[in-house]
Amino acid sequence: GESVGLHLPTLSVQEGDNSIINCAYSNSASDYFIWYKQESGKGPQFIIDIRSNMDKRQGQRVTVLLNKTVKHLSLQIAATQPGDSAVYFCAENSAHYGQNFVFGPGTRLSVLP
Amino acid sequence: GAVVSQHPSRVICKSGTSVKIECRSLDFQATTMFWYRQFPKQSLMLMATSNEGSKATYEQGVEKDKFLINHASLTLSTLTVTSAHPEDSSFYICSARTSGNTDTQYFGPGTRLTVL
Repeated sequence: GESVGLHLPTLSVQEGDNSIINCAYSNSASDYFIWYKQESGKGPQFIIDIRSNMDKRQGQRVTVLLNKTVKHLSLQIAATQPGDSAVYFCAENSAHYGQNFVFGPGTRLSVLP
Repeated sequence: GAVVSQHPSRVICKSGTSVKIECRSLDFQATTMFWYRQFPKQSLMLMATSNEGSKATYEQGVEKDKFLINHASLTLSTLTVTSAHPEDSSFYICSARTSGNTDTQYFGPGTRLTVL
C-alpha cells in the first residue's frame, strides 16, 4: 500500500508485481520530464525521460505516462524486483525555471519478498 | 550513458575549515553543471548553476561567499564550502548537462560532508 511518512511517501509492493509511482508536477509550461532512481548513499540515476509532445514512453521494464491536463506524471515498473528498491524522483524542466530541473519530493519504493 | 564523477565521496572535517569538492564529466563536455544539496529523506535542492568560464548563478538563500563555485573547464566544476559548520553537513551532488537547454542531466555519485 501507499503511505505518507514524515518526509517521503512510501510504496510497498510484492516482488513480481507491477509498481506505479505518481508525481504531480508544478508548472503547466514544463516541457521535459525525467524520472530518476536514487539508492541510499548514491547520486540519482537516470531512468527514463519524456517530452511534452508525448503522453507515453516505454523503456526496458519501465513506462512513463504524462497527463498534461492534470499535470501528472507516472512511472510504471513491470515485474518489480528487489533491486528496484530505491527512492524515485520526478523532475520537470521549463523555461520558467530557467531551464533548470525542479525535483519532486520523491517516493520510496520497497519491494517485499 | 554520460558519466559524472565526484571527489571525494566522503569527507569529515573540523568546524571552521574549508572543503573542496570536485565534479567531472568523464566522457562529454558540460557547458553547464549544477550543484545540489540533499538532506536525509528529502529531495534535491538546487544550490547553483555553474557555466564554464562565467560566474555561477546561485539560488535564493544560498550564500555565494560561503559556497564558492569554479567552473574552469568544460569537464570540471568545483564547490568549496568555506568555514564549514556542522549545519553544512549534508550530501552534495553535482550534475552535468550534455548540451542544449533541455538535454538530460546526469548526476555524480555525491559527496557526503560531515562537519564536526
